[in-house]
This record gives sequence, C-alpha cells and structure tokens, in this order.
Amino acid sequence: KNQVEQSPQSLIILEGKNCTLQCNYTVSPFSNLRWYKQDTGRGPVSLTIMTFSENTKSNGRYTATLDADTKQSSLHITASQLSDSASYICVVSYNQAGTALIFGKGTTLSVSS
Amino acid sequence: GAVVSQHPSWVICKSGTSVKIECRSLDFQATTMFWYRQFPKQSLMLMATSNEGSKATYEQGVEKDKFLINHASLTLSTLTVTSAHPEDSSFYICSARGQSRAVYEQYFGPGTRLTVT
Repeated sequence: KNQVEQSPQSLIILEGKNCTLQCNYTVSPFSNLRWYKQDTGRGPVSLTIMTFSENTKSNGRYTATLDADTKQSSLHITASQLSDSASYICVVSYNQAGTALIFGKGTTLSVSS
Repeated sequence: GAVVSQHPSWVICKSGTSVKIECRSLDFQATTMFWYRQFPKQSLMLMATSNEGSKATYEQGVEKDKFLINHASLTLSTLTVTSAHPEDSSFYICSARGQSRAVYEQYFGPGTRLTVT
C-alpha cells in the first residue's frame, strides 16, 4: 500500500533554532518527492522537488535530502523564523506526469519567540 | 511564478443549498486541474481530476453527482457542491498543472473554506 508517513506530528522550537522534519515512504513506483509548506487556512506552497537521482536540494533556509534506498527524506530548516510556523507536508508522486500524489499528514511546526 | 486563485475564500451556506467554487490559473494555461478536500489536521485527499474539455475523473468514494466539476476553459475550473450537508463542511483546494510548466509540478490555490449550517 502506498503510504507517506511524517514525524514528528508536531514540533515547537525557539526562533533562531534549527530543526529537521522526517518523511518515510512506501510508494512504488517512485517518481519524485516534494515538500510543501502550508500556512493555516491556505493552500500548500512548493518548497522543493527531488527526483530519484537527486539526494539534496536547497531553497533558502530549507534543505531537503532524499535517500531513495531507504525511502527516507528530511527537511532541514535553518535559523528558524516566526513565519516558518506552518504545516510541512511531504508528498510522493508515483507517476512521471506528477498527477498521482500521495500526501503525508504533515508536521505542524510552531516557532516561538 | 505560477498563480492559482480560488473564489470565494470562504463561504457559509444552509443545508440543502448548492455552492460553486471557482479555481483560476492566472498566468498559465492549466490543461489539468485537481480538486482536493482537507479536513482539520488531515492530509489533502484528491477528489477528482479534470482535463480541459473532458469529463472529470473522480476518486473512489467521491459522488460525482454531488460534486460537479466543470473545466470549460484552460484557465477555469469550477466545483459545485450540490445539496450541501454539514458533513460537506471542509477546506477545498484546487491545483493546476500546465503543459508549459515543469512536467511534474502542480500549483495549489489558496483554498476555500466551506461551512454548511
């Protein structure tokens, strides 16, 4: 069964600190893995997309890693800001067209001052 | 970047009435649009996929007669919730994909919060 599991479910950190979110997947065939940021009451916004051959990709203070062998990905946030408070969703696509997506439930990150 | 808008951003309606939600791609032609539903603290669940000019393909368990989807142009898709009931209250999100964009990218709209009283 295709599944995407994220951990932790929620996380609270102090402003300025770093954090790492985890994503494990059992999706086959694998096409690409995406990380999205979803603010409360808003639609998801793409942070990174990685295909099978990519094992790291950065977008500003966000760095995603992918280990296709162990089927794990992580999203590292550096020097967190209050505006980073959101839900971070890991999504795996299992077709090349990118139309077949499996969504994780997300990790809710709260950054406090 | 690609922009997808939704209207309205929130709507409250009475049980038994119908509600139409619009999804527009503002700066690209969306050959495929997707409609998702998201309940609190849950992941997005795909409801249906629509290609411009074709009938929508609904996911298992989604009633096509209740959730009417129209994708009449390359920039507009609509979702109509017919005879809405309180259990239809949810956050509805559309996404769009265009041929001119990265082959595997979907761009999400800001969502529409539907509350049925």
